[in-house]
Amino acid sequence: QSVLTQPPSVSGAPGQRVTISCSGSSSNIGSRYNVHWYQQLPGAAPKLLISDNSNRPSGVPDRFSGSKSGTSASLAITGLQAEDEADYYCQSYDRSLSGYVFGTGTKVTVL
Amino acid sequence: QVQLQESGPGLVKPSETLSLACTVSGDSVSSSHYYWAWIRQPPGKELEWLAYIYYNGGTNYNPSVKSRVTISLDTSKSQFSLKLTSVTAADTAVYYCATTYSGYEYFHQWGQGTLVTVSS
Repeated sequence: QSVLTQPPSVSGAPGQRVTISCSGSSSNIGSRYNVHWYQQLPGAAPKLLISDNSNRPSGVPDRFSGSKSGTSASLAITGLQAEDEADYYCQSYDRSLSGYVFGTGTKVTVL
Repeated sequence: QVQLQESGPGLVKPSETLSLACTVSGDSVSSSHYYWAWIRQPPGKELEWLAYIYYNGGTNYNPSVKSRVTISLDTSKSQFSLKLTSVTAADTAVYYCATTYSGYEYFHQWGQGTLVTVSS
């Protein structure tokens, strides 16, 4: 059972902006631990999209951005493209579990 | 850049032990730069971190599987492994090996994943 909560799905037309929320608690996101985001295309392994709340690894388009505030974080995709249709997961560290935790996952659909 | 590749049986019988290996290339599995981890994803469900190991043998396990799981290093084969005992259908999942940089909390590299089905 996931410790981090995400909306099951979000959708938008090409070119639009969508956001995905990730809600945690004082033992993970609300502590000093950073939030990271992964993109999982159908049938593929997750790929790191955003690290340390807002950093984009090399090769990730600047259409993707992340932020963190309090016990929540969010991922924004601006200028939505058909290739962005995928599942997205947030991830952090939880001091109560002494381990890594993932979000419930959000499916992004491009209309 | 580190590359990871999972290997192991795709079918395991209930109550038996699931054993997987992850072969590391591009850097040493003995490097202090990395933590090595296993993560699984049941069909249609979210990701679940299972365990990690450090080059010095230090380990940490998810409490949900801690009584049944062991992670280990085999430096001679440049591999790290996962053993999960007393499996049930609930352990059916795609199992990924992944790595984090030491001192960081995100998984920057993943294997392609391997589907393990628990069925008689």
